[in-house]
Amino acid sequence: GAVVSQHPSRVICKSGTSVKIECRSLDFQATTMFWYRQFPKQSLMLMATSNEGSKATYEQGVEKDKFLINHASLTLSTLTVTSAHPEDSSFYICSADRDRGTEAFFGQGTRLTVV
Amino acid sequence: KQEVTQIPAALSVPEGENLVLNCSFTDSAIYNLQWFRQDPGKGLTSLLLIQSSQREQTSGRLNASLDKSSGRSTLYIAASQPGDSATYLCAVNVGNQFYFGTGTSLTVIP
Repeated sequence: GAVVSQHPSRVICKSGTSVKIECRSLDFQATTMFWYRQFPKQSLMLMATSNEGSKATYEQGVEKDKFLINHASLTLSTLTVTSAHPEDSSFYICSADRDRGTEAFFGQGTRLTVV
Repeated sequence: KQEVTQIPAALSVPEGENLVLNCSFTDSAIYNLQWFRQDPGKGLTSLLLIQSSQREQTSGRLNASLDKSSGRSTLYIAASQPGDSATYLCAVNVGNQFYFGTGTSLTVIP
């Protein structure tokens, strides 16, 4: 199957700093990538849809100025958590699919801890 | 808005037992449904994908069914093994995003 690589897998940062998470589709071009957040013992919640060459579409309640998404190429989307706070500590996962409505492939996830 | 529910939330079975995990969704207008496995602190591993036109898919000891009209899917695991212990998530694809269930935490006791 297709491969989606997410980096880093774990990151610890201080409050007030920014953290960038990368999501790459290694063997296919993804015009759309998705960013999810997962709190402990809860399911994945969609944060935003990242579209190559255009602005991301954010879900209700997600601060677009705090969670900056850039989809600069067909194989790379980045999520930057700006001015991180401890409550931003969570598990972030990206996904991509080849075409609308097809199988989705997920990255390995990034465990963010803000101290 | 699509809502996805998984029952049970947790399940503990002895090794070798066959088991069924349930997933229900409220809007039948889906492209496909996927079952995933998630180990603690890890990402998602895709297990089975069922297109909206299909009734079931099989992979090894896993069999997933889909009844789109009633908004239900089941994941059947045959001859469970301790290595099957994980959280199982179902997700429905509505084209522009996935909606995930809350997951079933499975423990297979040796």
